[in-house]
Amino acid sequence: NAGVTQTPKFQVLKTGQSMTLQCAQDMNHEYMSWYRQDPGMGLRLIHYSVGAGITDQGEVPNGYNVSRSTTEDFPLRLLSAAPSQTSVYFCASSDRDRKSSYEQYFGPGTRLTVT
Amino acid sequence: DQQVKQNSPSLSVQEGRISILNCDYTNSMFDYFLWYKKYPAEGPTFLISISSIKDKNEDGRFTVFLNKSAKHLSLHIVPSQPGDSAVYFCAANGRGLSGNTPLVFGKGTRLSVIA
Repeated sequence: NAGVTQTPKFQVLKTGQSMTLQCAQDMNHEYMSWYRQDPGMGLRLIHYSVGAGITDQGEVPNGYNVSRSTTEDFPLRLLSAAPSQTSVYFCASSDRDRKSSYEQYFGPGTRLTVT
Repeated sequence: DQQVKQNSPSLSVQEGRISILNCDYTNSMFDYFLWYKKYPAEGPTFLISISSIKDKNEDGRFTVFLNKSAKHLSLHIVPSQPGDSAVYFCAANGRGLSGNTPLVFGKGTRLSVIA
């Protein structure tokens, strides 16, 4: 299993540009989520999905869109990039069943810089 | 309002000694607690977890203690090794109506183990 994969690894955008961060998992996990990590702020939840066709907002959703058309993929869209969105973005997935350990598996991250 | 707090941004420990990382939480609905380890330029990886029905869980050199009345948990690493140098995140979640609720992370503690 590849686990959770993210592309690209690095990206530089100009203010106002849009782009999509890709996330895929091959563990048949129902639960997927996006976090951003900023210095001194820990990991903050952007959006999450409990299954195909179902998404919800996290702590910091503004400026981002998500959709979940398949179990495997959970792309994150930046509609109009702003310097405040400069961050490292992590995608994660887990089994939704309570019998699991709640453990989330993280991808390697995408480092985004907005100039 | 921060639901999961790690009040020590950094900790330095000599190799072979004990490392103790602390975490406090405010939400009484949390029923599962996890510790993640993160190396630079990598995604967080799951380290150890504990259910709210337990007060201790041990896995090799790592032990997590939970004090529900104080809403406090700690991670003990004995003996500490240079390879343990990383950022450690405390996380918590619970059970919602549609399955597991999203993980809530603390801001992290950077552990440096000095040889």
